Amino acid sequence: QKEVEQNSGPLSVPEGAIASLNCTYSDRGSQSFFWYRQYSGKSPELIMFIYSNGDKEDGRFTAQLNKASQYVSLLIRDSQPSDSATYLCAAGAGNNRKLIWGLGTSLAVNP
Amino acid sequence: DVKVTQSSRYLVKRTGEKVFLECVQDMDHENMFWYRQDPGLGLRLIYFSYDVKMKEKGDIPEGYSVSREKKERFSLILESASTNQTSMYLCASSFSGIGYEQYFGPGTRLTVT
Repeated sequence: QKEVEQNSGPLSVPEGAIASLNCTYSDRGSQSFFWYRQYSGKSPELIMFIYSNGDKEDGRFTAQLNKASQYVSLLIRDSQPSDSATYLCAAGAGNNRKLIWGLGTSLAVNP
Repeated sequence: DVKVTQSSRYLVKRTGEKVFLECVQDMDHENMFWYRQDPGLGLRLIYFSYDVKMKEKGDIPEGYSVSREKKERFSLILESASTNQTSMYLCASSFSGIGYEQYFGPGTRLTVT
């Protein structure tokens, strides 16, 4: 069974801090990885995707990928209360059009 | 900007009714997906389609069927709605091939009474 695992949280950080969200995946054939943000009652929206080992930065967000350890992370710098949401990690299902989804990590940024 | 729209934001149906949920995307994506999302269970794939008239079962296809007659439109059908199908239904689309990001519609909150 191919899986993506995330700590359900809640992860609580003060405003202005760095929030670190982590994800592990089981399918060594996965080549693409995604982070989505989902506000309560809304649909997931894509934040970032990463295909190569290392870091990828986009504004306050940095995605990190370590294929040897099968580990993906998302760092949110200068966290804002508006970042409070559930963050979903997903991995491309190897030789397949589907994505494998984690259950999400709930983040609360406290003013 | 990718635009995925769904026919209803909220829907209330009675047990045994036939229910149609429609999804339209404007990005010429080949792949389209239907998920349901329930608290504690995450996103679960019901069906997906990789081309017009082509479909594949996802993880939980029982009680559902789909139709894709045009590239931009993907319909989910509940043949005889049951209370355990009360859920948030999410449509998504992506480009063809392996491992592309998916873009979601706003979702339909379906309640079956």
